[in-house]
Amino acid sequence: SYELTQPPSVSVSPGQIASITCSGDKLGDKYAYWYQQKPGQSPVLVIYQNTKRPSGIPERVAGSNSGNTATLTISGTQAMDEADYYCQTWDSTTVVFGGGTKLTVL
Amino acid sequence: EVQLVESGGGLVQPGGSLRLSCAASGFTISSYWMHWVRQAPGKGLVWVSRVNGDGRTTNYADSVKGRFTISRDNAKNMVYLQMNSLRAEDTAVYYCVREGYNSYANWFDPWGQGTLVTVSS
Repeated sequence: SYELTQPPSVSVSPGQIASITCSGDKLGDKYAYWYQQKPGQSPVLVIYQNTKRPSGIPERVAGSNSGNTATLTISGTQAMDEADYYCQTWDSTTVVFGGGTKLTVL
Repeated sequence: EVQLVESGGGLVQPGGSLRLSCAASGFTISSYWMHWVRQAPGKGLVWVSRVNGDGRTTNYADSVKGRFTISRDNAKNMVYLQMNSLRAEDTAVYYCVREGYNSYANWFDPWGQGTLVTVSS
């Protein structure tokens, strides 16, 4: 079965760039999606179709996908960005989530 | 406002049954695939099941196949998850999710607030 691998945790200083990776076999041939989940809240879509932002998501949130790795990049990281982030893709008709990455803003 | 509201969670004994409901508002569910995704306490997101717009096509994760049944009532704008033969490992928050789409891609948005299912004796 298809698997997506994320680092369990990423730390960043306020104002710096945070990068969260998601790895899977030939992931670049698929679309990648990213969800943000803050403690006690439901997940929220932040990136779809590799690079697109839903309305309301700031421009400092960006996505890319190439080769075996999709990356979520948050520029000018703020305390409000501290959350768990999950990548997701489709393997045929099966939905696959990564294990999640806890972003800590130190 | 597009919204999904789940209900029906609670405490159930191993081997028991529970039916989750998802009430949609702000859009017509008949135009969308609808999904259930769960999250065990302190763990990640796991896809459970999906149903297409007319309810005739369903898919399940291997871990719930044969025990869970997804259905929908488009007239009521409702989605359901019937869970039988529940196990301790089914303990999780269950989210109802809409599958958004365009000509190229499909994504999950929005998510409901979730309903907690606890399987324990």
